[in-house]
Amino acid sequence: AQTVTQSQPEMSVQEAETVTLSCTYDTSESDYYLFWYKQPPSRQMILVIRQEAYKQQNATENRFSVNFQKAAKSFSLKISDSQLGDAAMYFCAYSITNAGKSTFGDGTTLTVKP
Amino acid sequence: DTGVSQDPRHKITKRGQNVTFRCDPISEHNRLYWYRQTLGQGPEFLTYFQNEAQLEKSRLLSDRFSAERPKGSFSTLEIQRTEQGDSAMYLCASSLRRLAGGANTGELFFGEGSRLTVL
Repeated sequence: AQTVTQSQPEMSVQEAETVTLSCTYDTSESDYYLFWYKQPPSRQMILVIRQEAYKQQNATENRFSVNFQKAAKSFSLKISDSQLGDAAMYFCAYSITNAGKSTFGDGTTLTVKP
Repeated sequence: DTGVSQDPRHKITKRGQNVTFRCDPISEHNRLYWYRQTLGQGPEFLTYFQNEAQLEKSRLLSDRFSAERPKGSFSTLEIQRTEQGDSAMYLCASSLRRLAGGANTGELFFGEGSRLTVL
């Protein structure tokens, strides 16, 4: 069974600084997607960034970028120039390509200090 | 499009009662998912539909849980004889699975969830 592990239950960062959230996963598949979702307090979960496993280049979306290490099964999220609005719970997720469900980690609560 | 909507947003019920949640996905999405999320944990997969067909059910989905998507549009999740352990946030998500041509992103679009409290 596929598992996703987020080893940092809580992280904090100073506004305008950079923070990295960690994620490891376990799979025997070769073709899959990886995601980072953001869940602000009392609001719906939204996609931050996604990575296709066959792509070697790390995905970037504005201030958000990932470090995808396929052999190590590691998928970390870097948030640059952190803003107060980045405060949320962040979930790493995995999905087999052409399959249905996504499997989520237990999340990392990010606090941004002004 | 207004996104994924769920109703009710909050439900308080007594142990042993039945509850039903409704999810309206994004209109062009053919896949619909139900997840359960408890405090401090990530969403746990319950089941998903492609159009009206229920393609996968988790072992978490006991006999007291039933989900339907009768016309391939909205879906309902019913919990019979609720127990205190059923207290959780029930999340609905939808996605578009292109069956012929086009790229599939795997992205899920979530609703705001239905919070269940069983007393």
